[in-house]
Amino acid sequence: GAVVSQHPSRVICKSGTSVKIECRSLDFQATTMFWYRQFPKKSLMLMATSNEGSKATYEQGVEKDKFLINHASLTLSTLTVTSAHPEDSSFYICSARGTSGSNEQFFGPGTRLTVL
Amino acid sequence: SQQGEEDPQALSIQEGENATMNCSYKTSINNLQWYRQNSGRGLVHLILIRSNEREKHSGRLRVTLDTSKKSSSLLITASRAADTASYFCATDPHDYKLSFGAGTTVTVRA
Repeated sequence: GAVVSQHPSRVICKSGTSVKIECRSLDFQATTMFWYRQFPKKSLMLMATSNEGSKATYEQGVEKDKFLINHASLTLSTLTVTSAHPEDSSFYICSARGTSGSNEQFFGPGTRLTVL
Repeated sequence: SQQGEEDPQALSIQEGENATMNCSYKTSINNLQWYRQNSGRGLVHLILIRSNEREKHSGRLRVTLDTSKKSSSLLITASRAADTASYFCATDPHDYKLSFGAGTTVTVRA
């Protein structure tokens, strides 16, 4: 099956710093990537939809200046958490949808962000 | 926004027993998907059922979909300790933006 990777898998940073998370589709081209956030023992909440070469579409309540998304190529999308604060600590998961028209999304392993 | 609601929230069963969990949703869908998540890990896609399908099987998994009741069920037969995980349903309302349920945490006791 299709593989999606995320890097880093775990990051700890100080309050006020920015953190970049990468999401890569390893063996397929992803026209669309999605970024989710998951709090402990909770469900995934869609943050934004990222289309290659265009601006990301953010869900209601998600600050686009806080969570910068770039989808520069068909295999890479990045999420940058700017000026991170402890309340941004969470599990961030990306998924990618291929170009074949399939409905299936392939999920990355997630990135655990802890802001001190 | 979160559309799927699942029950039960948690389920504890003996190895070899069947586990059933349900998912209800509110709006029309293109398809409904079930995922598994082991603690602290990413999601593993289990099965996708389209809106015009009523039942689907994959190995020990059986999924049903009732669009008139806006509900789906996931049955895991002959459970194993390795099935211990959280299970999420996710609805795709025609725009590929998945909306996840709260999840059911399944514990299979050896």
